[in-house]
Amino acid sequence: RKEVEQDPGPFNVPEGATVAFNCTYSNSASQSFFWYRQDCRKEPKLLMSVYSSGNEDGRFTAQLNRASQYISLLIRDSKLSDSATYLCVVDSWGKLQFGAGTQVVVTP
Amino acid sequence: EAQVTQNPRYLITVTGKKLTVTCSQNMNHEYMSWYRQDPGLGLRQIYYSMNVEVTDKGDVPEGYKVSRKEKRNFPLILESPSPNQTSLYFCASSFFGGGVEMTNEKLFFGSGTQLSVL
Repeated sequence: RKEVEQDPGPFNVPEGATVAFNCTYSNSASQSFFWYRQDCRKEPKLLMSVYSSGNEDGRFTAQLNRASQYISLLIRDSKLSDSATYLCVVDSWGKLQFGAGTQVVVTP
Repeated sequence: EAQVTQNPRYLITVTGKKLTVTCSQNMNHEYMSWYRQDPGLGLRQIYYSMNVEVTDKGDVPEGYKVSRKEKRNFPLILESPSPNQTSLYFCASSFFGGGVEMTNEKLFFGSGTQLSVL
């Protein structure tokens, strides 16, 4: 079993709609959690950190559920430019584990 | 400009011919790491380093070597490349929290190296 798992998608989303997806992790001692965005074969870039209380950055909302060991990302009012692969990253005592990514395709 | 510089961007080589992919960062980061990315498998960590002269294996270290003689540089060495090492490689760096929490902060990635081993 992978330590960090994501639904690969693709999630096909009409422009303006809301999309949400999760990432599960297996190490209960994991401390920090992040969402990165990756455009096709380019370097990943930090989208947002995920805090215990949940956090929002514009149209993006991240949640952490430690009891069930998953994090989530919700994108509201999707834009065409949101089309990308979203990588979940879990930090366990300095060791970073990446999920394989969830592909989001926003259509006009 | 704060950045991670990775070279070359593209590399085609033949089986068994030693090669080095360079990685340099100008942000004084303690933590540096190498990843390979293959379709459907996501980013897998090859080696990482928490500071100068401190390196450790990631999830897929076989066939690779690294060194961290200076804080800014973290080269990836393939002593005898094989076709199964054909992949997209990324170098990354970050500040490392250390102490009790031992957490990473934001990772900065290089632009990637597409390696093909024939």
